[in-house]
Amino acid sequence: DTGVSQNPRHKITKRGQNVTFRCDPISEHNRLYWYRQTLGQGPEFLTYFQNEAQLEKSRLLSDRFSAERPKGSFSTLEIQRTEQGDSAMYLCASSLDTSQETQYFGPGTRLLVL
Amino acid sequence: KQEVTQIPAALSVPEGENLVLNCSFTDSAIYNLQWFRQDPGKGLTSLLLIQSSQREQTSGRLNASLDKSSGRSTLYIAASQPGDSATYLCAAGKGYSSASKIIFGSGTRLSIRP
Repeated sequence: DTGVSQNPRHKITKRGQNVTFRCDPISEHNRLYWYRQTLGQGPEFLTYFQNEAQLEKSRLLSDRFSAERPKGSFSTLEIQRTEQGDSAMYLCASSLDTSQETQYFGPGTRLLVL
Repeated sequence: KQEVTQIPAALSVPEGENLVLNCSFTDSAIYNLQWFRQDPGKGLTSLLLIQSSQREQTSGRLNASLDKSSGRSTLYIAASQPGDSATYLCAAGKGYSSASKIIFGSGTRLSIRP
């Protein structure tokens, strides 16, 4: 499978715990995006990498959130001290650095904070 | 601030009908406009991408149009089939730059009745 993959697909955690999600983009894509989607809403932009550089972060990304892409390939999104409001689908997308810039999305990680 | 709106939030039509989904955006200075499909609990699949210099794009039974001056885009689905049932999201691309990101609408949940 050469598409974007995300792990785990589902995560249930207790409030206050830390969680980490992984995204593996399409191999030749140098741009990687994280989004959050709540029920009945469209995805909201969280952050964006060009290769290993994190170029933009949304105001939605509080201090409890951190994202990395250390070698410009896979990326991790960590949420510390989770809160019930963090419950959502976390989507990763990747694209080529071209003017076309079609984003290809992974299946998402659904997080439930109890 | 760009806002993307999709009306209606839900639509149910009998199989075989042609239908139009609507998307409006407040800031006409967009770089591109994308339409996505999302099946329940899944990630997004890109359907069509229209660059700001283009007026429409076609793929099979799908045709997307873009009118920047009026801030509108439509997705036309011909001869609808039950397999077309899904949520359709439009997203306005901000620009080709290091701060590039896309703003999503909340989607139209489409149900095709056999």
